[in-house]
Amino acid sequence: QKEVEQDPGPLSVPEGAIVSLNCTYSNSAFQYFMWYRQYSRKGPELLMYTYSSGNKEDGRFTAQVDKSSKYISLFIRDSQPSDSATYLCAMSATSGTYKYIFGTGTRLKVLA
Amino acid sequence: GAGVSQSPSNKVTEKGKDVELRCDPISGHTALYWYRQRLGQGLEFLIYFQGNSAPDKSGLPSDRFSAERTGESVSTLTIQRTQQEDSAVYLCASSPRGGSNQPQHFGDGTRLSIL
Repeated sequence: QKEVEQDPGPLSVPEGAIVSLNCTYSNSAFQYFMWYRQYSRKGPELLMYTYSSGNKEDGRFTAQVDKSSKYISLFIRDSQPSDSATYLCAMSATSGTYKYIFGTGTRLKVLA
Repeated sequence: GAGVSQSPSNKVTEKGKDVELRCDPISGHTALYWYRQRLGQGLEFLIYFQGNSAPDKSGLPSDRFSAERTGESVSTLTIQRTQQEDSAVYLCASSPRGGSNQPQHFGDGTRLSIL
């Protein structure tokens, strides 16, 4: 079993829809949770960075962490065609380590 | 400000040749990371630098792979006697310091194709 599982998609939604992207993990030591957006032929771009459980909102993006279920989510409101990309989750344990464990990414396509 | 810069953006070479990939991190970032991204797969950690030292090289796939960093700045990843399975995107990231509480910022990668 992989440490981090992410549905590869592709996920196609109409413009304006609410998108939910998810990752599950098995390592209860993970404390830091990140979401990256990666456009085709570009590097991953950090979208959201959260510590421990709870919600964090930034514009149209909301990151949610449920440590009891070992489940994290990224919600995108009012999705736009420009949101079409691959979304990668990443997570890491305590501050004593630097290693990120990445999911394989979910491809999202927002249809105009 | 300037982000992480990688060169070349694309590299095509014949099997058996050596290649060098370069990374210029964000100025002032002491931590630097190399990852490999194969098609349809997640990012695979290769090596971590803190300053010019590499305390963790555990992800380097074989002794054909090596990396160095100089001046607490530029890093070079070298692959000797390339094989077809080395074809991938090689990504570099940097962070202000090492540690999970330091978000990593990525360059656009070098797309390496081995013929």
